[in-house]
Amino acid sequence: EDQVTQSPEALRLQEGESSSLNCSYTVSGLRGLFWYRQDPGKGPEFLFTLYSAGEEKEKERLKATLTKKESFLHITAPKPEDSATYLCAVQAISGSARQLTFGSGTQLTVLP
Amino acid sequence: DTGVSQDPRHKITKRGQNVTFRCDPISEHNRLYWYRQTLGQGPEFLTYFQNEAQLEKSRLLSDRFSAERPKGSFSTLEIQRTEQGDSAMYLCASSFGTDFTNSPLHFGNGTRLTVT
Repeated sequence: EDQVTQSPEALRLQEGESSSLNCSYTVSGLRGLFWYRQDPGKGPEFLFTLYSAGEEKEKERLKATLTKKESFLHITAPKPEDSATYLCAVQAISGSARQLTFGSGTQLTVLP
Repeated sequence: DTGVSQDPRHKITKRGQNVTFRCDPISEHNRLYWYRQTLGQGPEFLTYFQNEAQLEKSRLLSDRFSAERPKGSFSTLEIQRTEQGDSAMYLCASSFGTDFTNSPLHFGNGTRLTVT
């Protein structure tokens, strides 16, 4: 069964204090790994897709990286508007190819 | 691209009542998904449609849940005889094709259900 574990569950940073969020996954074969941002009371908003180990994607202050067992979301010099829950999800090649399996998310708070 | 639209945004109902939610996907997307999210958890897959055909249902989807997509456009999710454990955010999402790496899932803002 596909599994996704995110850590930490919650993270508080001062504005400008860089850090990383972790997403560990277990799948029989990875088709893709996805990062989403979710604001309170809203649906998840797509950020990145990563396909293979070694790949990196960047968007503003966010950079996502992928290894064979985990992905990191690096946040450089965060601002209060980066506060949100960040969700990681995987799509497997076999079986549940039409589904995404999500982790429980990391709730990020950036203090001014 | 007007995004995925869900209605209502909030629903409060008494245990035992039936409720129905509506989802309007992005117009060119042929696949529509329902997910459920409880507090502090990630979304869990419930069911999905390709056009009007319901192709897959999760074991989470009990017999009290039914979903339709009659003309391959909007979809409805009905919960009969609601229970307190049904309280959650119900998210609709859409995509084009089966490979999310080519067409990522786009979510609506959900319907928050509270069963009292």
